[in-house]
Amino acid sequence: QQPVQSPQAVILREGEDAVINCSSSKALYSVHWYRQKHGEAPVFLMILLKGGEQKGHDKISASFNEKKQQSSLYLTASQLSYSGTYFCGTETHQKVTFGTGTKLQVIP
Amino acid sequence: NAGVTQTPKFQVLKTGQSMTLQCAQDMNHNSMYWYRQDPGMGLRLIYYSASEGTTDKGEVPNGYNVSRLNKREFSLRLESAAPSQTSVYFCASRLDREAGELFFGEGSRLTVL
Repeated sequence: QQPVQSPQAVILREGEDAVINCSSSKALYSVHWYRQKHGEAPVFLMILLKGGEQKGHDKISASFNEKKQQSSLYLTASQLSYSGTYFCGTETHQKVTFGTGTKLQVIP
Repeated sequence: NAGVTQTPKFQVLKTGQSMTLQCAQDMNHNSMYWYRQDPGMGLRLIYYSASEGTTDKGEVPNGYNVSRLNKREFSLRLESAAPSQTSVYFCASRLDREAGELFFGEGSRLTVL
């Protein structure tokens, strides 16, 4: 069963912030976040393990609420290069399943 | 470094034909995955192989078979292609569960007429 992502799409102006949410009905081992540009393969952003800490690098960070099986990806001070489709992947028993994605467009 | 290599990159089939998508990784990874991507559906897991010698069904395994030929290679076979299998197929691999990160191939675009 695919995790549920929201919103489905968002348009930002450069410098604005965004939050993308991901939820699952299953007990998770980890949550992954990937970004995909049009016509390219998904690229890894970060992973949050059960019992782990909130992670981040540069202006992108994420959190994982184990009790609710929910994760959020935070993009601050967005840049044009952040445009793309963001996928969360949830893992149980080595199986990594992805949500339907959030299309993010950053405009000047 | 090649990473994850998929062949072919493009393929057109007629309904009922069979074909095999090949995937090879040179990173000594233990786990390998096959996904399909359709507009609005995200990435859906077809089959995966947690380690050499094991394979398991994902979310959408019907109409597909897989073979983990060795540690490097994981192939996906369509025995009798159907138009509903028109999609972009991605192979991915990772070292193990603890490492976490999936490395994706460039994708294979398959059209079934």
